[in-house]
Amino acid sequence: EAGVTQSPRYAVLQEGQAVSFWCDPISGHDTLYWYQQPRDQGPQLLVYFRDEAVIDNSQLPSDRFSAVRPKGTNSTLKIQSAKQGDTATYLCASSLGAGNTLYFGEGSRLIVV
Amino acid sequence: GDSVTQTEGLVTVTEGLPVKLNCTYQTTYLTIAFFWYVQYLNEAPQVLLKSSTDNKRTEHQGFHATLHKSSSSFHLQKSSAQLSDSALYYCALASSGSWQLIFGSGTQLTVMP
Repeated sequence: EAGVTQSPRYAVLQEGQAVSFWCDPISGHDTLYWYQQPRDQGPQLLVYFRDEAVIDNSQLPSDRFSAVRPKGTNSTLKIQSAKQGDTATYLCASSLGAGNTLYFGEGSRLIVV
Repeated sequence: GDSVTQTEGLVTVTEGLPVKLNCTYQTTYLTIAFFWYVQYLNEAPQVLLKSSTDNKRTEHQGFHATLHKSSSSFHLQKSSAQLSDSALYYCALASSGSWQLIFGSGTQLTVMP
């Protein structure tokens, strides 16, 4: 069974540029999460979906970050006008239902210079 | 809101000796699931242990943990550390309040020969 797939694996931007990260969850998993993991810190939830619906996006910086999961399968996280403080690894995870084990992708590492 | 505390940022132990990584939590909800995730260098976090039953020992890959709701703890232990155990370990909580996974700050375990 294929795991969670993310792309791109790496991105280097100048401040003000935009980037999109893509995630393909494990087939059949209804719940999809985006976490931000700054260097030397634990993952911090940005947003999560149940099917195509956003369940919680309260930690998503709404002025520059957006996330969609239009068909309840793949998801895209977009950062507009990136800042140096956005430098982190962006992890996508999926699970079957809430409260169950999350399976993570390898992450997309973003460096903003 | 829910929170998870890992007091040691760095733990160093000699190969063959026991190791214990501490984890405590705060939640106002009664139904919880607890996880230990391990993250090897440049890899995604992967689940190591899961428990939702009070006072029941859970084991996997030589590690064990027991959820103690009376002391709000879910410490990770191993009787004999191996060099290959060197990694970053995260404690995480999913409560019935939201079922999103809340991570601790992580403990870097280094096993020395």
